[in-house]
Formats: sequence, structure tokens, C-alpha cells
Amino acid sequence: DVKVTQSSRYLVKRTGEKVFLECVQDMDHENMFWYRQDPGLGLRLIYFSYDVKMKEKGDIPEGYSVSREKKERFSLILESASTNQTSMYLCASSLSLGISYEQYFGPGTRLTVT
Amino acid sequence: DQQVKQNSPSLSVQEGRISILNCDYTNSMFDYFLWYKKYPAEGPTFLISISSIKDKNEDGRFTVFLNKSAKHLSLHIVPSQPGDSAVYFCAATGKRGDMRFGAGTRLTVKP
Repeated sequence: DVKVTQSSRYLVKRTGEKVFLECVQDMDHENMFWYRQDPGLGLRLIYFSYDVKMKEKGDIPEGYSVSREKKERFSLILESASTNQTSMYLCASSLSLGISYEQYFGPGTRLTVT
Repeated sequence: DQQVKQNSPSLSVQEGRISILNCDYTNSMFDYFLWYKKYPAEGPTFLISISSIKDKNEDGRFTVFLNKSAKHLSLHIVPSQPGDSAVYFCAATGKRGDMRFGAGTRLTVKP
């Protein structure tokens, strides 16, 4: 069974803080993704990565950065948290392209910025 | 601008009847489509998918139909069960594998 874990289920941070969200997958997947989920907007892609040290911007990368130093770990960084970044953050992973497009999701981190 | 649209935020059906969830997309580069199911406090889980070279894919009670000319897909659940109550997301992807999701449809199946 593929397992994607996220470091926290709930997180409360103050405006201006630097926030790290960690994601780890245990199935040697090549690709990893970060989304945020907001009511009425569904899941929106923030960043994704095809390989270690590689990253690609998604649809809403502003205010975020990512790090992938190891294949199994993909971190999302909020450089200076703002209240409009209060959201549910979901991490996902998938096998190599051409093999499967199916993404496996972690349980999510609900981040509140006050 | 959302490339994948689910225009019905909610759907309620009686147990045993058919549930039909609809999805439209705008990007003609999409060639693979998926449906995910999400329960509260959990991440989405994969349900069923379809490649653009097909127009139908069936898996047990779940069938996905694709109409490429209309850029429309639908998920049929027959018969619907109370355990099917969840939020359903339609998703689409192209060769790069980066996926775009709809806003979701909350399905409620009443006993």
C-alpha cells in the first residue's frame, strides 16, 4: 500500500512566520505534488516535482517555495505566512509518467494563519 | 480560470438509484481523466480513470463516460449506497502529469 504522510494534521501560525509543511512517501515515486483545497475552488496545484532537486510551478506558486532534497520527501515552504494562506494543504505522489497518472494523497494539513 | 469544472456543488439521491456526476473541461491537451472520492479529514482517494482514446470505463458499480467532442465526462454510480456519500472530484491531466481538479460535488445517498 502506498503511504503518503504529512508532518502535521493541524497547524496554527502567526502572520509573517516562516512555515514548513513536510511530506514523505514510501513507494519510491518519482513525482510529488502540493495542492491547497479551498471551498468552492477544489484542489489547486501549487508546485510539483519530477525528480530530486527539480521543481515546477503550478497554478498558484506565489508566496510559496518547495524543496526536494531526497526522492521520498517534498517540503512546502511559506516564506512569510499571510491570512490568505489559511487552507487545507494536500501532498500527493505518483509513479513515473507513462506508467501511471494516478496520484496518491496524504491526509492533509489544515493550516490556520492568524 | 478553472480548466476543469463541476457545476453541481451537491447532489442527493435515494439508495439504490443511479447517481450521475458531471464534469466539463476546457483544455484540449488533457488526455487522461480521473475521479477521486474524498471523505472529511482524509485525503482524496482514486476511484476510476479513463484515457482519451476510450469513451467508457467500468469498474463494478462505477462507470465513467467521456465525450471528447463536448469536452464532458460523467461518473455513474449504480446502485448508489449510503457509503458512497462523499465529495467527488473530477481531475484531468496531460503528458506532464500535472493534474487539474474541479471544485467537487458533494454526493449524499439517503437510505
